[in-house]
Amino acid sequence: DSGVTQTPKHLITATGQRVTLRCSPRSGDLSVYWYQQSLDQGLQFLIQYYNGEERAKGNILERFSAQQFPDLHSELNLSSLELGDSALYFCASGGGAEQPQHFGDGTRLSIL
Amino acid sequence: GEDVEQSLFLSVREGDSSVINCTYTDSSSTYLYWYKQEPGAGLQLLTYIFSNMDMKQDQRLTVLLNKKDKHLSLRIADTQTGDSAIYFCAEGYGGATNKLIFGTGTLLAVQP
Repeated sequence: DSGVTQTPKHLITATGQRVTLRCSPRSGDLSVYWYQQSLDQGLQFLIQYYNGEERAKGNILERFSAQQFPDLHSELNLSSLELGDSALYFCASGGGAEQPQHFGDGTRLSIL
Repeated sequence: GEDVEQSLFLSVREGDSSVINCTYTDSSSTYLYWYKQEPGAGLQLLTYIFSNMDMKQDQRLTVLLNKKDKHLSLRIADTQTGDSAIYFCAEGYGGATNKLIFGTGTLLAVQP
């Protein structure tokens, strides 16, 4: 058990819809990272938050947004969903710049 | 640029050693990581090495880093069927972000 909790485990929805993925980091970790894992793109970094503020952005689409709340949990919002957004979305948390990232079990998103 | 490559597949017999290789292009990475992903599961941190080290040993795992050739390897001694999984290497940049750039993953199949 990594200590990182992601909900829900599975999401099935239709094109054009909007979903919210939730992540609770390990106790004491201030950084939350979001990654997308798909067959064609592999594992890609999306975005990082540190103590409530956006720290780094990767290959995140404009239709996607994230935030980190005062209790340090984070949400990834995906809107105007397309078939190609079907993927496994991982959240990871870390204690600081020199600390490794620990991953949650992921949310599997299926767009029908 | 950021590019991390791994061979796609490795098959070994139970009890043999496995060596999974990884090459990367960006020499500014601070840490290099190995993660394991079992079917339907999240990413489990196995081990990591600071970029100024050559080797790190952790029980059955040995990590070798050749910074000159930008080559990283993971050796698993006495490989067991439970080691069957996909193994990812990743570069981390430390500093303010420490986002991870992942390799394509190597599927390790352990034959009984």
